[in-house]
This record gives sequence, C-alpha cells and structure tokens, in this order.
Amino acid sequence: AQKVTQAQTEISVVEKEDVTLDCVYETRDTTYYLFWYKQPPSGELVFLIRRNSFDEQNEISGRYSWNFQKSTSSFNFTITASQVVDSAVYFCALSEAGAGEGNTPLVFGKGTRLSVIA
Amino acid sequence: DAGVIQSPRHEVTEMGQEVTLRCKPISGHDYLFWYRQTMMRGLELLIYFNNNVPIDDSGMPEDRFSAKMPNASFSTLKIQPSEPRDSAVYFCASSLAFGETEAFFGQGTRLTVV
Repeated sequence: AQKVTQAQTEISVVEKEDVTLDCVYETRDTTYYLFWYKQPPSGELVFLIRRNSFDEQNEISGRYSWNFQKSTSSFNFTITASQVVDSAVYFCALSEAGAGEGNTPLVFGKGTRLSVIA
Repeated sequence: DAGVIQSPRHEVTEMGQEVTLRCKPISGHDYLFWYRQTMMRGLELLIYFNNNVPIDDSGMPEDRFSAKMPNASFSTLKIQPSEPRDSAVYFCASSLAFGETEAFFGQGTRLTVV
C-alpha cells in the first residue's frame, strides 16, 4: 500500500533562513504522482506542485524548490529566504496512477508545521 | 470558477443529532473526494465518486456515515447519529482525473459534536 512519511512534525526558523521539508514515500507502482499542499492558519488546502514518477527534474518556483529523487523515494521541499507568510502546515501526498484495484487517490503524510519567526 | 464550495463552514451540534455537510465541486471535474482531518489521524480519505458514482467508501468509519452525489454539481456527507469523536474538519475536493491531476479542496467544514 502507498505511504507517505513526513518525519518532521514541527520546524521553527528565523525569517530569511532556508528550510527544507522532508518527504519519503512508498509505492508499488512504477507510475505515480507526488504533490505538495500548503495549509495556512486559515485552514484551506492550497495546491503547490505535482510531479510524475518519470520526471525527476527538480523544479524551482520563486523561493520554492523541489528535489525529487527516486533512488531514495524522496520528494523534498525547500523554501529559500523564508518569510513569516510561509508559516503553515505543509503536506506531501502520493497518488498511484489509474483507478485500478487497490489504487488510492491522494494519500497524505501527517504534515510538517513550519513556523517562521520575524 | 469559484472553486470547490462547502457549507456550512462551521457546525456545532449535539450528540445524537443528524449532520449534513454539503459540497459543490468545480464544474467539469469528474472526481469528488471527501476527506476528514483530525490531529490524531491527519487527512483521511472517506469516500470518492467518479461521475456521481461512489467508487470506494472503504474509508467511511461506520454505518453512521453516508455520502451521496445526486448530480455532478452536488454532494452530501451525512452523519446520523453524530458522536463527539466525529468532531473534525471535513474537506471536499474535486479533480479532473484520478491521480495524475491535482485535487482542489474546499475550505472545509469544522464540525464540533458536543
């Protein structure tokens, strides 16, 4: 069965520091999709990025970057020069391809609560 | 599009009462998901629909929970009778396809059963 582990429960950093949120996943499929979502204090879940298992190219979007490594089954998320507005709970999620038997949409990790202190 | 719309945003009810949560997915999305978020268990999938048909309800905790999708633009999650341990945030989400596209979430319904 698919599984997502976010070992860091809470992280606290000072503004302008870089921070990396770890995500390790387990899946039996060769085709799968990885996601990151942000849950700010207001409570909604905001989609950040999707990656498929055939695309290991790292991605950068502004201060956000993602490092996907199949060899270690990891999909880590780095925020550069963190800001107070980055304070939120961040979830990593996994989905196996196709609605076949046993496949489950979007299995989430337990989340990492990031606090950025001014 | 206004995104996924859930109502109510907050619900406080007494134990034993019936609770109905509502969701309007994004137009054109074929998949609709109901998740529950608690501190202890995180985000759990309760049930999902494809083209209004329930596909997997193995996450529904008990027979007290039921979900329906009478048409492509509306779904309900009902708890009858409610219990204090049902207190959680319930999210509805929709997506174009299974797995390979992102799911868009509503703002959630915070349910408190006293």
